[in-house]
Amino acid sequence: DAKTTQPTSMDCAEGRAANLPCNHSTISGNEYVYWYRQIHSQGPQYIIHGLKNNETNEMASLIITEDRKSSTLILPHATLRDTAVYYCIVLLTNSGYALNFGKGTSLLVTP
Amino acid sequence: GAVVSQHPSWVICKSGTSVKIECRSLDFQATTMFWYRQFPKQSLMLMATSNEGSKATYEQGVEKDKFLINHASLTLSTLTVTSAHPEDSSFYICSAVGTSGRTWDTQYFGPGTRLTVL
Repeated sequence: DAKTTQPTSMDCAEGRAANLPCNHSTISGNEYVYWYRQIHSQGPQYIIHGLKNNETNEMASLIITEDRKSSTLILPHATLRDTAVYYCIVLLTNSGYALNFGKGTSLLVTP
Repeated sequence: GAVVSQHPSWVICKSGTSVKIECRSLDFQATTMFWYRQFPKQSLMLMATSNEGSKATYEQGVEKDKFLINHASLTLSTLTVTSAHPEDSSFYICSAVGTSGRTWDTQYFGPGTRLTVL
């Protein structure tokens, strides 16, 4: 699976958009980009995933560059409850493969 | 939909005893379940992969005789920590992958079980 690089930490003001970047320059053509987050002392929560096209759901938007070497997770209106560690994970498919949780980005949403 | 539960949410036990943790997919059938472990201030580390009706596959360094995994049905997997020691104290988390629909290509996680061995 392709490796990913994320900033260690980020801050965001409540109500503003949080844009979390992820570099995956060695991604192969059939690998997906998945985003999960883990709030302190809880199990990881699935957010969104995509292959080539941008994706949006009720939680977030995922923007994937045309060359697929990087992506950005966007939380459009961050709340205090969005404070968590966000993991960008690249893999062929989520069905039969365990997730390699790197260090992720620790997002702090401030009042 | 796609809810995974774990029981218990926390457990304290004496050294040398065994502890069983249950992982259930509540609204979907899970062909594959994964067990992870997370130590304080560290990321999740995969312990084993469990497929319904077959033996679990353990990661290197995880003792299969110490961490017994049973995946007897499409909605239940159990992890038993045998002869627990203080160094087994950790946060144990399971995940499940479904057989159809949106659960087919997405892992959903349980809330985790905090094990403390005295």
